[in-house]
Amino acid sequence: EVQLVDSGGGLVQPGGSLRLSCAVSGFTLRSYWMSWVRQAPGKGLEWVASIKQDGSETYYVDSVEGRFTMSRDNAKNSLYLQMNSLRAEDTAVYYCAKSAFALTDWGQGTLVTVSS
Amino acid sequence: EIVMTQSPATLSVSPGERATLSCRASQSVSSNLAWYQQKPGQAPRLLILAASTRATGIPARFSGSGSGTDFTLTISSLQSEDFAIYYCQQYNNWPITFGPGTRVDI
Repeated sequence: EVQLVDSGGGLVQPGGSLRLSCAVSGFTLRSYWMSWVRQAPGKGLEWVASIKQDGSETYYVDSVEGRFTMSRDNAKNSLYLQMNSLRAEDTAVYYCAKSAFALTDWGQGTLVTVSS
Repeated sequence: EIVMTQSPATLSVSPGERATLSCRASQSVSSNLAWYQQKPGQAPRLLILAASTRATGIPARFSGSGSGTDFTLTISSLQSEDFAIYYCQQYNNWPITFGPGTRVDI
């Protein structure tokens, strides 16, 4: 069974940093592109970032470019999203998802709240 | 950036009725389009990929059609568990973009 477990969310002040993690099981991580998608409270879905199987390519939505870094450790079956210089508008539930095309499986999400 | 639009914003239907949801892309995305269902408090669930292929385990009452810029998700006979928000998403170009969603309710 494919499982993705998101963690690392919490309350952080504007300008602060947070690192999200996604632990995967039930499939071979190194074979798949992976992505992060977020959803602000009461809003729609927004793609954040994707990373290639070997980590050699990453893509970001413009609003997080230069502030967020997506990475992976295939040996540990884990994905990461390092978020720096956080803003109020980054407040959202963050989901990791399998693939960078049709997103076939999703984590349960982790809530990031940026507020003073 | 490819802008995705969806119509209507809200669709009010009764159980057993047919629901037709539309999605339009600002430029061609070929058939690189997916549909998702999201219920309150839950992660999205993939319904359709490649515009018309049902994802694993998705009931046959869900069908997708279209290519290029215009796409449709049809739910042939709405069940109570189908009341949710539906999003389309293009993955033909970076950045990946989602539509704003269509809420299907009673």
